[in-house]
Amino acid sequence: DTEVTQTPKHLVMGMTNKKSLKCEQHMGHRAMYWYKQKAKKPPELMFVYSYEKLSINESVPSRFSPECPNSSLLNLHLHALQPEDSALYLCASSRLATYEGTQYFGPGTRLTVL
Amino acid sequence: ELKVEQNPLFLSMQEGKNYTIYCNYSTTSDRLYWYRQDPGKSLESLFVLLSNGAVKQEGRLMASLDTKARLSTLHITAAVHDLSATYFCAVGPTYYGGSQGNLIFGKGTKLSVKP
Repeated sequence: DTEVTQTPKHLVMGMTNKKSLKCEQHMGHRAMYWYKQKAKKPPELMFVYSYEKLSINESVPSRFSPECPNSSLLNLHLHALQPEDSALYLCASSRLATYEGTQYFGPGTRLTVL
Repeated sequence: ELKVEQNPLFLSMQEGKNYTIYCNYSTTSDRLYWYRQDPGKSLESLFVLLSNGAVKQEGRLMASLDTKARLSTLHITAAVHDLSATYFCAVGPTYYGGSQGNLIFGKGTKLSVKP
């Protein structure tokens, strides 16, 4: 099973709302990632978690707050977002952050900020 | 800073024709990936290339890696409509002590295969 699941599939929120995106994998992977993808652009890395610890934060604004409660789950907490934050948010996982193998991507959450 | 350049960015092909997509990168890397993305969908892994001279083939797609030239190619043979999608290459920079898991993506090549 090489499946990464993400919920919700779509999310519409106002600039004052607080919401969370959820990502789950049961492949025993110890590295999980959040990417942001704007329309017609490549994915951009936001965060890397390795063994449930944040190992890379690509200077992401604090209105995005990641959390890795256990080795299978990755959350992205959203607060006071801006309309320009509207994008497809992709979660990925791999065996290890240092592993050269494939990063498997989830289906994504399409976020719209009004 | 690692830069990844793909070309062409747009490619319109006729069915049955061959073509190559190029991916150049600017710094040392020991990992290169090719992904496919259909409109509104997530990324599907196609190939992982880990060593100089690596060549992998799946169906009508063949990927190769030249780490000395910092170049990877994705060759399409006898294109069919089902191959229409956006193709991304992604490079994992090498740091002292090894990879950190981050990938830098090229801008993508939007491939359209017409009958």
